[in-house]
Amino acid sequence: NAGVTQTPKFQVLKTGQSMTLQCAQDMNHNSMYWYRQDPGMGLRLIYYSASEGTTDKGEVPNGYNVSRLNKREFSLRLESAAPSQTSVYFCASSEEDTQYFGPGTRLTVL
Amino acid sequence: QKEVEQNSGPLSVPEGAIASLNCTYSDRGSQSFFWYRQYSGKSPELIMSIYSNGDKEDGRFTAQLNKASQYVSLLIRDSQPSDSATYLCAVTPYNFNKFYFGSGTKLNVKP
Repeated sequence: NAGVTQTPKFQVLKTGQSMTLQCAQDMNHNSMYWYRQDPGMGLRLIYYSASEGTTDKGEVPNGYNVSRLNKREFSLRLESAAPSQTSVYFCASSEEDTQYFGPGTRLTVL
Repeated sequence: QKEVEQNSGPLSVPEGAIASLNCTYSDRGSQSFFWYRQYSGKSPELIMSIYSNGDKEDGRFTAQLNKASQYVSLLIRDSQPSDSATYLCAVTPYNFNKFYFGSGTKLNVKP
């Protein structure tokens, strides 16, 4: 089992560019999450998906969109990247109370 | 108002000592409580979960929960240099749809 995988691992964008962060899990979990982690801020929830076909906003959804493509995959899209979106992005999946995190994507927006 | 509060540290303890990490939360509806460990440059990993008042022990780790005081703590006995990491507290309501994380406490265990 690979667990939770994320691509890419690193990305540098210019302001205004768009990109999609990919996440996949092979644990057959219903729930999936996208977080961002900034220095001194802990993890903040961007969006989550309780099951295939459903998505809901978290604490900091502005500037992001998500797609729950199927049970395995949950993508995060930045339509017009801004320097404030420079962060480390983690995807996670869970079955009830235990969350499993992917390795993260380090994104820099210039 | 921030949901989950932690002292950012760093908390420095000598090897072999007990490290005590604390967390308070604001939502009285929170039902489940978690401690994650995060090494620098890595993703968080779950080390303890606790759901009812009292203590829960797992090896060198003990989680303590006091819902009346909205307080959860993690004790690490016989601290090792390999325990040096940032410890994140997280809480969730009954449906596990949203997890709220504290900003983490950085622990340094000195040999």
